[in-house]
Amino acid sequence: GENVEQHPSTLSVQEGDSAVIKCTYSDSASNYFPWYKQELGKRPQLIIDIRSNVGEKKDQRIAVTLNKTAKHFSLHITETQPEDSAVYFCAASSSGYALNFGKGTSLLVTP
Amino acid sequence: DTGVSQDPRHKITKRGQNVTFRCDPISEHNRLYWYRQTLGQGPEFLTYFQNEAQLEKSRLLSDRFSAERPKGSFSTLEIQRTEQGDSAMYLCASSLARGGFRDEQFFGPGTRLTVL
Repeated sequence: GENVEQHPSTLSVQEGDSAVIKCTYSDSASNYFPWYKQELGKRPQLIIDIRSNVGEKKDQRIAVTLNKTAKHFSLHITETQPEDSAVYFCAASSSGYALNFGKGTSLLVTP
Repeated sequence: DTGVSQDPRHKITKRGQNVTFRCDPISEHNRLYWYRQTLGQGPEFLTYFQNEAQLEKSRLLSDRFSAERPKGSFSTLEIQRTEQGDSAMYLCASSLARGGFRDEQFFGPGTRLTVL
């Protein structure tokens, strides 16, 4: 089955700096890669996703890049703010329904 | 609130007891998913429904687990003879599959199960 690895497990940045989280996947058939943000005690919420037919997608301060050859994808957050502090999960899907999640990255943005 | 809702939010039970959780998806969504999340881990897929049909079950879903979505609306997840290893957050998600590429899954707040 699909195996998704996520790094780093924790990340601390200063407000205004950029944060990068990286994920690798094992199933070459995976074609959908969402990123979820989960604040403490709250539900996961989709922040951005990318399909395998594009290499990059951007939404304001958030961008995701995908390298299908290397089977890795990354989340980039620019101009970080304290409210960006949360756990971020990457996921990959080849089936169109089951999402296979990484173990998460706990991001702390300090003022 | 028009989002995914789950009930109860917390459940404490003794080992060996049966428990049942309910999920109400976003009203027009035809797909419903169950995931399990343990501390420090990402959600793990358990099963999913397209309307009332259960189309896929993970190997994580042992014989003690059963899920239903009888009318294609709400869903229930039952765990029989609970074990301490069942302690986790059980998340429900729903999506609207329209045959196209996009199928964003919206998550509910989860039911936290503690088995003593």
